[in-house]
Amino acid sequence: EPEVTQTPSHQVTQMGQEVILRCVPISNHLYFYWYRQILGQKVEFLVSFYNNEISEKSEIFDDQFSVERPDGSNFTLKIRSTKLEDSAMYFCASSEGDRLGQYFGPGTRLTVT
Amino acid sequence: GESVGLHLPTLSVQEGDNSIINCAYSNSASDYFIWYKQESGKGPQFIIDIRSNMDKRQGQRVTVLLNKTVKHLSLQIAATQPGDSAVYFCAFNSGGSNYKLTFGKGTLLTVNP
Repeated sequence: EPEVTQTPSHQVTQMGQEVILRCVPISNHLYFYWYRQILGQKVEFLVSFYNNEISEKSEIFDDQFSVERPDGSNFTLKIRSTKLEDSAMYFCASSEGDRLGQYFGPGTRLTVT
Repeated sequence: GESVGLHLPTLSVQEGDNSIINCAYSNSASDYFIWYKQESGKGPQFIIDIRSNMDKRQGQRVTVLLNKTVKHLSLQIAATQPGDSAVYFCAFNSGGSNYKLTFGKGTLLTVNP
């Protein structure tokens, strides 16, 4: 069964450093998403991406965040200057289309020290 | 010391019993709903979805019921097994947004053998 994959599984970085989290969505999916989950809290929407542009973003997704689909398979989330409060699990998801189910990857645990 | 994070509702059942997990939403414009299962350290796993033009949908051992009048969603798991032990989240889209999912608080299901 096709699945979303994410790398790395765990990333440790120092405050102020840039990080790039990588995702390979399910191959026939057209919509891509990033969510995050701070330890012990709910999953929160960050951004959705379709047709090579952001279709929606939350208030969390400020100028420090960016997304890119650099090729036909990868989808990345970049945090330019990490803060302690960026420490969380970051989940990538993808879907075939609107209201067709969002399928999540295993997540990247980001720890900012 | 002070505790932080979610205090999850919990449901404890015996193996073989049926489980019912509930979720409330507030936006009457929400028209697409998903139930996810999340095991410790893993990403949310898609279980079943339902659109607002339906009241009930069945999958393998699971049934989702939607009551739009009271904005309530439930997940029924038949013949619950120890492997069903996890946190269960409902998620729903928002009025004016087709992509962003808002996650509910989650319910911790524990299945006792």
